[in-house]
Amino acid sequence: ETGVTQSPTHLIKTRGQQVTLRCSSQSGHNTVSWYQQALGQGPQFIFQYYREEENGRGNFPPRFSGLQFPNYSSELNVNALELDDSALYLCASSWEISKNIQYFGAGTRLSVL
Amino acid sequence: QKEVEQNSGPLSVPEGAIASLNCTYSDRGSQSFFWYRQYSGKSPELIMSIYSNGDKEDGRFTAQLNKASQYVSLLIRDSQPSDSATYLCAVKGNTPLVFGKGTRLSVIA
Repeated sequence: ETGVTQSPTHLIKTRGQQVTLRCSSQSGHNTVSWYQQALGQGPQFIFQYYREEENGRGNFPPRFSGLQFPNYSSELNVNALELDDSALYLCASSWEISKNIQYFGAGTRLSVL
Repeated sequence: QKEVEQNSGPLSVPEGAIASLNCTYSDRGSQSFFWYRQYSGKSPELIMSIYSNGDKEDGRFTAQLNKASQYVSLLIRDSQPSDSATYLCAVKGNTPLVFGKGTRLSVIA
C-alpha cells in the first residue's frame, strides 16, 4: 500500500467525450507524475506537477491536460477521447523533484468505445 | 529519444532457481535506476533502486549496475511462484522516468 489513491478505478467512455481522473498523493509528497500504460507496454510519461506547476511533459497532445491543487492532489483531463486512449492511467507521487523514487497508485482503467 | 530495452520474455524458471532479468538504456546521462514489479491488472510496485555502479542486495533481490556498459540487471534468488509477474526497468537522468516494456517472468512450481 503506497498511500497514493486514484479514482475512479474503472471508466467507460465513448469517442469524443471528455474524462477527468483524480489522484491523491502520499502524505508529504509534493510531486505528482501521470503515466499512460497501454496493454503490453511500459508506462509512458504524460506530465509531472511540482508544487502546482507543470514540470515536464511527454509526447502527448494538448488534449491531455492536468492540474495540481494546494494539497498536492492532482487531476488528469483528457478531451476529445480517441479509441487509442484506452489504457491504464497511473499516478505516481514523490517528495521533491530531485527525489527520484516514485510510488504508484492502483491506476484507473479507461476504456473508450 | 531516450530508450530502455528489455527482453519481453516470457522468462521461465523453476521454483528455487535464480531468475536473471536484464535491461539496457540509451541515455548516458542517466543517474537513477529502478526495478518495478507489476502483477497482471495491477500497478507497478517498487522493488529496488540503484544509483552507483556495482551490486545492491535486498533480501532475495540483487540489482546490478554497470554505467559504462549502460546495463542494469535484477537477480531474484530462490524464485517463488509468487514472483511470477512483469518486471519493469525504469531509468531517470535529466528527463522524466523512462520505462522499458517489461519482462514477463514465470516461476514454475
